[in-house]
This record gives sequence, C-alpha cells and structure tokens, in this order.
Amino acid sequence: GAVVSQHPSWVICKSGTSVKIECRSLDFQATTMFWYRQFPKQSLMLMATSNEGSKATYEQGVEKDKFLINHASLTLSTLTVTSAHPEDSSFYICSASHGQGFQPQHFGDGTRLSIL
Amino acid sequence: AQTVTQSQPEMSVQEAETVTLSCTYDTSESDYYLFWYKQPPSRQMILVIRQEAYKQQNATENRFSVNFQKAAKSFSLKISDSQLGDAAMYFCASRGSQGNLIFGKGTKLSVKP
Repeated sequence: GAVVSQHPSWVICKSGTSVKIECRSLDFQATTMFWYRQFPKQSLMLMATSNEGSKATYEQGVEKDKFLINHASLTLSTLTVTSAHPEDSSFYICSASHGQGFQPQHFGDGTRLSIL
Repeated sequence: AQTVTQSQPEMSVQEAETVTLSCTYDTSESDYYLFWYKQPPSRQMILVIRQEAYKQQNATENRFSVNFQKAAKSFSLKISDSQLGDAAMYFCASRGSQGNLIFGKGTKLSVKP
C-alpha cells in the first residue's frame, strides 16, 4: 500500500528557532499534499494545501510567513515553522494523494512539536 | 462551507457487542465522498471505511459498515463484534473541494472487556 513518511516524529526546541518537518511519499507520486494541525483532544484542522511546483494555498487564519510550505518534488513536501513560540506547540500531520477524485489520502505518522 | 458534525464526544461498548457512531454532514457538492478514520493513541490516522455519495449501497469492510442516508445527510458507522483494539478516536470526514478532508470533532470509543 501507499506509504507516507513524516520526519521527525517528535521535536523539542527552544523558542525562536525554526523547525522543518518533512513529508515524503515513498511509493507513489503525490501531486497534492496537505498539512493539518491537531491540538490535544481536538480534531484535525487543515492548514494548507500544497501542489507540486506551485505555491501552497493557506487556510484563513494561517500565517504563510510563519508556516512555510515547499513542495519541490512529487515525493517531498516540507513545513517549516519559523521563529517558533510555545503557542506553536502542537501535533502536525501531513497527508498525500495522487490526483483528484476518489484518490484516497495517505497520512504520515505526524510530528509532535514542543517549543520551550 | 462544508461541515461535519459528530454529536457524541464519547461512546462505550462492551467487547463483542455492536456500537454505532453518528455523523451528519452538510455539503453543496453534487458528488462527494465520505470517510471514517480511526486515530489510536499512537495518533496515526487509519482509514476505516469510505463511501462514494453516488453509490446507494452502504459500504462494508469486515466488521465495519456504514448507514448512509443521503437525503438526511447522515453517515453513521457501525462496528460489530467490538474488539479491544477498536478503542480509539473516530473521525468522520468529507472530502473538500481541494481534495482535503474536513473532519468532525471526533468520538472517543472505549471498549470494555
């Protein structure tokens, strides 16, 4: 089956640093990748939609300068949390799909980000 | 805007019994897709079952089945012969216009031995 690898799974860093999270599709070409954020005991909220070779589309209320998304190839998308602060601490999870329509989304295992 | 509503924050079921998780949705799309995802404590998102709206037949996957009522915009999940490993958060979701998923708030399912 389709596999999406997300790295790192857990990161702890100091306030003010930038953190990069990678999302890779291992055995299929991901034309579209999605980045979600999940606060404790809450649902997943879409942050942005990333299409290969084009700028990401951010959801309302998500700061594009804060959360930099790059989708340079059909197998890799990255999310960089710039100048991270404690309020950015959360669980970030990516998903990838090939094409539109009924193509299922395949999720990474998520990244737990803790900012001290 | 599309919305997905899960009205049961928590549910409990006895092992080997059957439980039904509720979900309602709202969409203006004429063709759409609905999903149930399971999220265990590991926080992996696991696809349980999916339904294409144009198909009248309810989807089934082993012990998991749905009751899809299109007119009522209802999409409930039935888990038969519940097992301890079924304990998790369950999210109902619809496919958004960009291919993203729109999730409900989730139902935490506990399975009692």
